[in-house]
Amino acid sequence: EVQLLESGGGLVQPGGSLRLSCAASGFTFSTYALSWVRQAPGKGLEWVSAISGSGTYTYYADSVRGRFTISRDNSKNTLYLQMSSPRAEDTAIYYCAKDGDHGDYGWDFDLWGRGTLVTVSS
Amino acid sequence: DIQLTQSPSFLSASVGDRVTITCRASQGISSFLAWYQQKPGKAPKLLIYAASSLQSGVPSRFSGSGSGTEFTLTISSLQPEDFATYYCQQLKSYLITFGGGTKVESK
Repeated sequence: EVQLLESGGGLVQPGGSLRLSCAASGFTFSTYALSWVRQAPGKGLEWVSAISGSGTYTYYADSVRGRFTISRDNSKNTLYLQMSSPRAEDTAIYYCAKDGDHGDYGWDFDLWGRGTLVTVSS
Repeated sequence: DIQLTQSPSFLSASVGDRVTITCRASQGISSFLAWYQQKPGKAPKLLIYAASSLQSGVPSRFSGSGSGTEFTLTISSLQPEDFATYYCQQLKSYLITFGGGTKVESK
């Protein structure tokens, strides 16, 4: 079955750290760019970060650049998001999403995980 | 960053209605636009890519049009399962942005 499954969410203190994981199955993992997209409670969608299929290139939203690090292990078919120095405004459901391969520079997302909730609070 | 403005933010409609949602980009994005449907507690689902191409498995009552800065998503005959929130997304730039969303509610 083609799917993405996030894990690692939970409660983290401001200034702490947390690592999210996304396990993929059912497609050739290393072929596709992957992204993290988040959704604060009751709010809209916000793209967070993306990584190329090989892992060579990474991209970040201004709101997380310098604090979050995206990575992938193609041998384990797993995507990661290392969250450092999180803030209250980082509280959200974090989705991993697979590139639909319809863009020249950016990505649309044809496969999404169920999401994992991150709550930043003391 | 490329800003996307969706209108309306909320829409009340009945089963069988024709529904149109607009998405305007702050600069030209050619046809690099996607539409998603999101139901409460669920992940978004890709409906339309490249502004007007129907994603596999999506009912043909959904259609998209437009290019440049103005785009529309149309549901030709609203079905009970279509009550949801809809988002547009641009992929012209690697700095991906989404519209604010349009919630389609039952009248």
